[in-house]
Amino acid sequence: AAGVIQSPRHLIKEKRETATLKCYPIPRHDTVYWYQQGPGQDPQFLISFYEKMQSDKGSIPDRFSAQQFSDYHSELNMSSLELGDSALYFCASSSGVGRTGMNYGYTFGSGTRLTVV
Amino acid sequence: DAKTTQPNSMESNEEEPVHLPCNHSTISGTDYIHWYRQLPSQGPEYVIHGLTSNVNNRMASLAIAEDRKSSTLILHRATLRDAAVYYCILKYSSNTGKLIFGQGTTLQVKP
Repeated sequence: AAGVIQSPRHLIKEKRETATLKCYPIPRHDTVYWYQQGPGQDPQFLISFYEKMQSDKGSIPDRFSAQQFSDYHSELNMSSLELGDSALYFCASSSGVGRTGMNYGYTFGSGTRLTVV
Repeated sequence: DAKTTQPNSMESNEEEPVHLPCNHSTISGTDYIHWYRQLPSQGPEYVIHGLTSNVNNRMASLAIAEDRKSSTLILHRATLRDAAVYYCILKYSSNTGKLIFGQGTTLQVKP
């Protein structure tokens, strides 16, 4: 079965550079979530999109932005990178969240490991 | 946000059952109980979820207390591949749908 695809798997950037992470959800999934996981920490919710509109926002720095495109893939854009941005970035997708009362399991990608040097 | 409390770590022997507890005394009537696990350097993996009744799937069973203030994830026969961090998460039946990860339980499986 198709899974959530994230690219690239690994990324090394220098401080103050920009980075773009991509996420391709499971076909027919309409909701995408982004998470950041620092070393030894639990995943932290950044932002989510439902039907190409931002649906919720967590602890995402102003230097980061994201969007969901017409084909439902999503991109996380990170500018002015800092050493503290080094982390695993996960994307997850789900279906039907927009309908109240529905509750599904989410599928996560394998993540992008970003290293800022 | 309703919170969950899990033990930091647990140990199990291979091929024995494992019972991972979770307390969620402030759960609301519309909160679903979700369990995810995360293997080292991998993304979280959905395990099981439920609302009021016990649930079974090919991976595990979820036993939910009658008052819903606690639940237990049951792995019937632990294998070395089950060694992971297990997260118990309350998810609102709402339109936002985000999962809030708290501190999970690190399960060690001994051969």
